[in-house]
Amino acid sequence: SQTIHQWPATLVQPVGSPLSLECTVEGTSNPNLYWYRQAAGRGLQLLFYSVGIGQISSEVPQNLSASRPQDRQFILSSKKLLLSDSGFYLCAWNPFSGLGPNEQFFGPGTRLTVL
Amino acid sequence: KQEVTQIPAALSVPEGENLVLNCSFTDSAIYNLQWFRQDPGKGLTSLLLIQSSQREQTSGRLNASLDKSSGRSTLYIAASQPGDSATYLCACRGGNTPLVFGKGTRLSVIA
Repeated sequence: SQTIHQWPATLVQPVGSPLSLECTVEGTSNPNLYWYRQAAGRGLQLLFYSVGIGQISSEVPQNLSASRPQDRQFILSSKKLLLSDSGFYLCAWNPFSGLGPNEQFFGPGTRLTVL
Repeated sequence: KQEVTQIPAALSVPEGENLVLNCSFTDSAIYNLQWFRQDPGKGLTSLLLIQSSQREQTSGRLNASLDKSSGRSTLYIAASQPGDSATYLCACRGGNTPLVFGKGTRLSVIA
C-alpha cells in the first residue's frame, strides 16, 4: 500500500530565515506530486506540482520554490521567509496520468508559523 | 477556468439527521470529482471518487452523486453522528490537470 510522509509536523521560524519542507511517497512509482498551502480561514491554494523528476510547475508567484530530486521526493523551500508564509502546508500525490481513477491522497501536513 | 463552489459554508445539525452537502462546478468537462474530509489540524482524507462516466459512488453511510450536465455533485450523509463533524471539500479534475477545490462546508453534528 502507498503512504505519504511529511516532516516536520510543526515548525516555528523567524522572518528572513530559510525553509525546507520534505515530502516522500512510498509504495508507488512516478507519481504526480503537489504542494498546497492552507492559510487560516482560507481555502486550499495549489503552490507547485510535478509530473516527474526535475519537472516543476508553479501556480502562484512568490518567494517559495519546489524541487523533485528523486521520483518520490518533493521539497518545498524558501531562502527568506515572510510573515505571510505562515500556514498549513500539505503535500499530495496521485498516480501518473492514464486510464486509472487518479485518486489523490494527502499527507498529514506541516504547520508553519513565521514570527 | 474551472471554479468550484460549495454551499453552505457551514452547517449544524442534530445527531441522527440525514444531510446533503452541495458542490457545483462551472466547466462540465471534468475527468473525475473527489470528496474529502478534513479534521482540524489534519490532512485531507479521501472519501469518495466519482469518475466522469459514473453517476454515483457509495461508501458506508456516504453517497456521492454526479450530474455533469448541470455541473453539480452532492454528498449525502445518512444518520449523521458527532464523529462526522469536520470540513468536507469537493474537488474536480480535468484530465491530467491539478484538482480544483471548493472552499469546503464545515459540518457540526450536535449530540
